[in-house]
Amino acid sequence: QVQLVQSGAEVKKPGASVTVSCKASGYTFTNYFMHWVRQAPGQGLEWTGIINPSVGGTSYAQKFQGRVTMTSDTSTSTVYMEMSNLTSEDTAVYYCARQSQLLYDAFDIWGQGTMVTVSS
Amino acid sequence: EVVLTQSPGTLSLSPGERATLSCRASQSVGSSYFAWYQQKPGQAPRLLIFDASSRATGIPDRFSGGGSGTDFTLTISRLEPEDFAVYYCQQYGNSPWTFGQGTKVEIK
Repeated sequence: QVQLVQSGAEVKKPGASVTVSCKASGYTFTNYFMHWVRQAPGQGLEWTGIINPSVGGTSYAQKFQGRVTMTSDTSTSTVYMEMSNLTSEDTAVYYCARQSQLLYDAFDIWGQGTMVTVSS
Repeated sequence: EVVLTQSPGTLSLSPGERATLSCRASQSVGSSYFAWYQQKPGQAPRLLIFDASSRATGIPDRFSGGGSGTDFTLTISRLEPEDFAVYYCQQYGNSPWTFGQGTKVEIK
């Protein structure tokens, strides 16, 4: 079945970097875009960025520009999100979510989420 | 950036009742590129409605979406016990993609 499986929880110190992975299966990896969405504890959903896994093209939310990098590995059907210079405000669950390659479409499949905790 | 405002913040209803959730956009969302998601505690969001009124695969027909332009609604015709959750609206017609702050549907 179609699924996105994310890497496990991370605990990082302020100023560090974290990389979260999202492995796709059950569909043609390069036929879909991938988004990253985060959710701080008890809060709503915040869009972080998008990657086109087939060519590696990306677009990031303005607030994360310069601090987030999304990459893809077509050989393993995996996308990665790296966030640097972490602060306590980056403590959140990070989700990957799939979008078709229609110009406009919703996020139909989500990963299970990865908890990133930033604490000294 | 398109700001989405959901109302009410919390809806207290009993099983079998009808739920109507609203989402207002700060500017028109082109061609109804609008979605609704359901999220239960400890779980990822699940797509319910896309393109404002189309149900996603496997979503029961008690869920329906409507609206256009700046005002959208999600209706649950008869609440089942598994429907008590948080619901988020989303627009995907303008970058950046944005979400509402959520409406919690709780058991009265």
